[in-house]
Amino acid sequence: EIVLTQSPATLSLSPGERATLSCRASQSVSNFLTWYQQKPGQAPRLLIYDTSNRATGIPARFSGSGSGTDFTLTISSLEPDDFAVYYCQQRANWPPITFGQGTRLEIK
Amino acid sequence: QVQLVQSGAEVKKPGASVKVSCRAFGYTFTSYYLHWVRQAPGQGLEWMAMINPIGGDTRYAQKFQGRLTMTRDTSTSTVYMELSSLRSEDTAIYYCAGGYCSGDCYFDFWGQGALVTVSS
Repeated sequence: EIVLTQSPATLSLSPGERATLSCRASQSVSNFLTWYQQKPGQAPRLLIYDTSNRATGIPARFSGSGSGTDFTLTISSLEPDDFAVYYCQQRANWPPITFGQGTRLEIK
Repeated sequence: QVQLVQSGAEVKKPGASVKVSCRAFGYTFTSYYLHWVRQAPGQGLEWMAMINPIGGDTRYAQKFQGRLTMTRDTSTSTVYMELSSLRSEDTAIYYCAGGYCSGDCYFDFWGQGALVTVSS
C-alpha cells in the first residue's frame, strides 16, 4: 500500500499570502496525484487531478506540481474562502486508493 | 446537474449490518465509476471500494474484504454499500463519490454523506 505523507499538518497564514502544501509518497505514483479541499460539514471538493490539472471551476490561484514521490499544491494568494483542510490522493498500484492525512490551513 | 443523493443517517448495534444507498442524477449512470469513501469523526478520508456501473465489476480495500459489498442497480441509477459485523470503529460519515478511473482515478463529485453510528 502506498502511504502519502502531507506536511505540514497545520499551516497558519494570512489572506494574501502564498501557501505551499506538500505531499510525499512512499513510492512513485507517476503523475496520478489528486488534491481535494474540505470545509467543515461538507464533502471534499476536487481541486487538482493528474498532478497539475485544475478541475472545472477551480480558480487559477490553485496550482499543482511534482512527479514520482514529491508533490506540491500552491495557492498563490490566499482568499478567506481558502482556509480549509486539504488532502492529497493517489491511485497508482491500486487497490487501495489512498489519501494523505490532510493539511489544515488556518487563518493566522 | 450531476448529483449523488445518499440515504439518511443510521444507528446500529455492534455486530449488525448497514446498507447505505446512493442515487445518481443528472448524467448517464454508466459514464463514471462510483466509490465509497468514509471519514471517522475528526479524521481523514479512507477509500473503501469502487464499482464500474457498466459491468458491475468491483474492487475493495483489503481491509474490508469479506465484510463489505458494493452493488449497483442500473434501472434506478443507484449504488449500495453494505458493511457487516459492525464495530465502534466503523462509526463514520460514508460518502459515495463518482469520477473517472482511466489513467488517474479521482472523485469529481460527491454525495452529501451518511452518518453511520455504531453503538450499543
